[in-house]
Amino acid sequence: GAVVSQHPSWVICKSGTSVKIECRSLDFQATTMFWYRQFPKQSLMLMATSNEGSKATYEQGVEKDKFLINHASLTLSTLTVTSAHPEDSSFYICSAPRLGVDTQYFGPGTRLTVL
Amino acid sequence: SQKIEQNSEALNIQEGKTATLTCNYTNYSPAYLQWYRQDPGRGPVFLLLIRENEKEKRKERLKVTFDTTLKQSLFHITASQPADSATYLCALEMSADGLTFGKGTHLIIQP
Repeated sequence: GAVVSQHPSWVICKSGTSVKIECRSLDFQATTMFWYRQFPKQSLMLMATSNEGSKATYEQGVEKDKFLINHASLTLSTLTVTSAHPEDSSFYICSAPRLGVDTQYFGPGTRLTVL
Repeated sequence: SQKIEQNSEALNIQEGKTATLTCNYTNYSPAYLQWYRQDPGRGPVFLLLIRENEKEKRKERLKVTFDTTLKQSLFHITASQPADSATYLCALEMSADGLTFGKGTHLIIQP
C-alpha cells in the first residue's frame, strides 16, 4: 500500500530556534500534501495545504510566516516551524492523497517539544 | 463550518462483544465519510470510506453505516478483541481541502 514517511519522528529544541519536518510519499507522487497538528487528547486540526510548485494555503488562524511550507518536489513537502516557542509543542502529521483513491495516507507523525 | 461530534470520549467494551461508535455532523452532508484508527503516538490509519449513496459498508469485522437524513454514521466492530483498543476517528473531506476530524472515541476492549 501507499506509504508516507516523516522525519524526524521526534525532536526537542530550544525556544527561539527553527525546526524542519519532512514529509515524503514513498511510492507515489503527491501534488498535494496536508499538514495537521494534534494537541494531547485533541483531534487533528488541518493547518495548511501544501501544493507542489506553488504557495501553500493556510487555514484560518495559522500564521504562514511562522509555519513555512515548501513543496519542492512531487514526493517531498517540508514544514518549518520558525522561532519555535513552547506553545508550538505538538504532534505534527502530514498526509497525502493518491490519484484515483479517495482516502489519504498519513505519515507516522513528528513529536515536537520546545523547551 | 462543518462540525463533527463523536459522542463518546471513551468506550469500554468486553472482549467478544460488538463495539458501536457514533459520529454526527452538522450542516451539509459530505460526499463521503471516513473512519480512521489512531494508536498513541502514531498517525491515523485508514479503515473504511462510505459514500453518501451507500447505506452500509463492511470490511472483515468492521461495519459502517451512513444515514444522511440523521447526519450520522455508526462504526461497528464485531467480535471485539483487546488488539482493537485504540482511538477511532471520524473524518469528512471538504471539497479539495484536507480532512475535518472528530475528536475521536477512545475504545478499550477488556479481556
